[in-house]
Amino acid sequence: TQLLEQSPQFLSIQEGENLTVYCNSSSVFSSLQWYRQEPGEGPVLLVTVVTGGEVKKLKRLTFQFGDARKDSSLHITAAQPGDTGLYLCAGDGQGGKLIFGQGTELSVKP
Amino acid sequence: GAGVSQSPSNKVTEKGKDVELRCDPISGHTALYWYRQSLGQGLEFLIYFQGNSAPDKSGLPSDRFSAERTGGSVSTLTIQRTQQEDSAVYLCASSLAVGYEQYFGPGTRLTVT
Repeated sequence: TQLLEQSPQFLSIQEGENLTVYCNSSSVFSSLQWYRQEPGEGPVLLVTVVTGGEVKKLKRLTFQFGDARKDSSLHITAAQPGDTGLYLCAGDGQGGKLIFGQGTELSVKP
Repeated sequence: GAGVSQSPSNKVTEKGKDVELRCDPISGHTALYWYRQSLGQGLEFLIYFQGNSAPDKSGLPSDRFSAERTGGSVSTLTIQRTQQEDSAVYLCASSLAVGYEQYFGPGTRLTVT
């Protein structure tokens, strides 16, 4: 069974601070995705990483895929209140189904 | 353009009643997925459709849960004899084909009293 462990589950920080969210598995994934979800809405895709060691940047967000394709991280630089939300990592399972981590609830206070 | 829509947005039902949840995927998307999001369990896969057939039903938690898709478009998820542990947000996603980016609907929040 493929599982993804995401940490931390909750994170409350001040505006301007940096943070990192981790997503780990004992299984290899051919790709891993990061989503952001706001209350009352479905998750929205931020990025997909497919190559071991890959680093992708989206403005102040940096995503990394581990060399062995078993883990990934999301780093946010100088967090803003608008970054508040639920961040989810997901790996691709059979048939295209997504296997999700438990999520990280981020709160950025002004 | 129109995204994935789900109805109802909220449903409160009594234990033991049957409920039907509806998903309208993005037009032209051949793959459709159902997930459940509950506190403590995160987001878990239930079932997916390729066209009208469901190759993988492995995530359905019990035989009280069933789903169908007709005309390669709308899908309904039916829960019979609802239990309190069925309370969750049920999310639907569609993609152009299996393996492509999934677009999620806003979900149906089901509360079983």
